[in-house]
Amino acid sequence: AQSVTQPDIHITVSEGASLELRCNYSYGATPYLFWYVQSPGQGLQLLLKYFSGDTLVQGIKGFEAEFKRSQSSFNLRKPSVHWSDAAEYFCAVGITMEYGNKLVFGAGTILRVKS
Amino acid sequence: DTGVSQDPRHKITKRGQNVTFRCDPISEHNRLYWYRQTLGQGPEFLTYFQNEAQLEKSRLLSDRFSAERPKGSFSTLEIQRTEQGDSAMYLCASSPESGLAGWLSYNEQFFGPGTRLTVL
Repeated sequence: AQSVTQPDIHITVSEGASLELRCNYSYGATPYLFWYVQSPGQGLQLLLKYFSGDTLVQGIKGFEAEFKRSQSSFNLRKPSVHWSDAAEYFCAVGITMEYGNKLVFGAGTILRVKS
Repeated sequence: DTGVSQDPRHKITKRGQNVTFRCDPISEHNRLYWYRQTLGQGPEFLTYFQNEAQLEKSRLLSDRFSAERPKGSFSTLEIQRTEQGDSAMYLCASSPESGLAGWLSYNEQFFGPGTRLTVL
């Protein structure tokens, strides 16, 4: 079955420190991979996506992610975290169904930023 | 167009009541999705429309749930005889379709702010 695992429920980093959020997926076909961010009371905003090509993808707000097929991973990184990055982050894999497609999400990682 | 909108943003109801939520997708997006997000979890797929046709439904969508998209524009999600377990955030998303690849194509889904349902 298709699934996404985000092993860290909470992560706390200091402002200015680097960040890596882990994501592992299980999907038999070529994955379409996404990272979304959700702030309290807000919908999901797409940070970046991987469809094909270069395995290192750049996103908005200074985020990047690297697709590693051998490890079934798509970890999100940021070299220097800002206090405004505090939010919940979701990794997702796009699944093709019989007549369309859907996203399967991980359980999310809550990022706290300390000053 | 400013994005996907959902109404209401919050709904509190008593167990056994019916509720209906509305989603207005980004104009000209012919694909529309409903997801449900419970506390501490990621969103889970409920159903998918391409234009007015409901093409996919999750097993999560019990008989008490019904979704429509009558003219291929806005969509409604109705829950009948609500239960406390229905308390969740209901998210709507839309995406465009690539004309060349048809339904096999994959495009980014744009999410609305959600409707938070509390069943007392």
